Amino acid sequence: DVKVTQSSRYLVKRTGEKVFLECVQDMDHENMFWYRQDPGLGLRLIYFSYDVKMKEKGDIPEGYSVSREKKERFSLILESASTNQTSMYLCASSLGNTGELFFGEGSRLTVL
Amino acid sequence: GQNIDQPTEMTATEGAIVQINCTYQTSGFNGLFWYQQHAGEAPTFLSYNVLDGLEEKGRFSSFLSRSKGYSYLLLKELQMKDSASYLCAVSAHSGNTPLVFGKGTRLSVIA
Repeated sequence: DVKVTQSSRYLVKRTGEKVFLECVQDMDHENMFWYRQDPGLGLRLIYFSYDVKMKEKGDIPEGYSVSREKKERFSLILESASTNQTSMYLCASSLGNTGELFFGEGSRLTVL
Repeated sequence: GQNIDQPTEMTATEGAIVQINCTYQTSGFNGLFWYQQHAGEAPTFLSYNVLDGLEEKGRFSSFLSRSKGYSYLLLKELQMKDSASYLCAVSAHSGNTPLVFGKGTRLSVIA
């Protein structure tokens, strides 16, 4: 059974803290994505990666960075968390033929 | 630019049929997806259309008209568990290009 695993379902952080969100997939997919999802705004793409050590900005990259040192792992980093980054973060991977995405369970981040 | 429109909310009765529409304007087209997302959970794949016509899968069907930039998701014999958000997403170019998502349609099924 294919699986995308996100390290934390719920996190609470303080403004200014550094936050790491980890995502691991076991499907040998080339492509990995980070989205955030907010009520009324839908899914918005933060960053994506086509290959190890490759990264591309999505629609809302400001305030975020990513790391892909291994094919199966894609990390999202908030260097200095702010309250407007309180959101649900979804990681996804895809094989690259049709573009079908496989999502992780999501990480709900609250920044106080 | 890329734009996908779908209704924000819909309500339907248990046992009925509901159609959720999606219109898109994208720079290219490589296929259209529908995902289901229950509250607090991750989206899960429902259907994929790349050619015009209707794809049926049990109680769910999805239709595509490429010339009209239009798709719909048809849910038959509605059940309470079908209450969820339904996301329309377009693959605008190759499979390596991120999907473009609509904002989702929240469907409430009532008794």
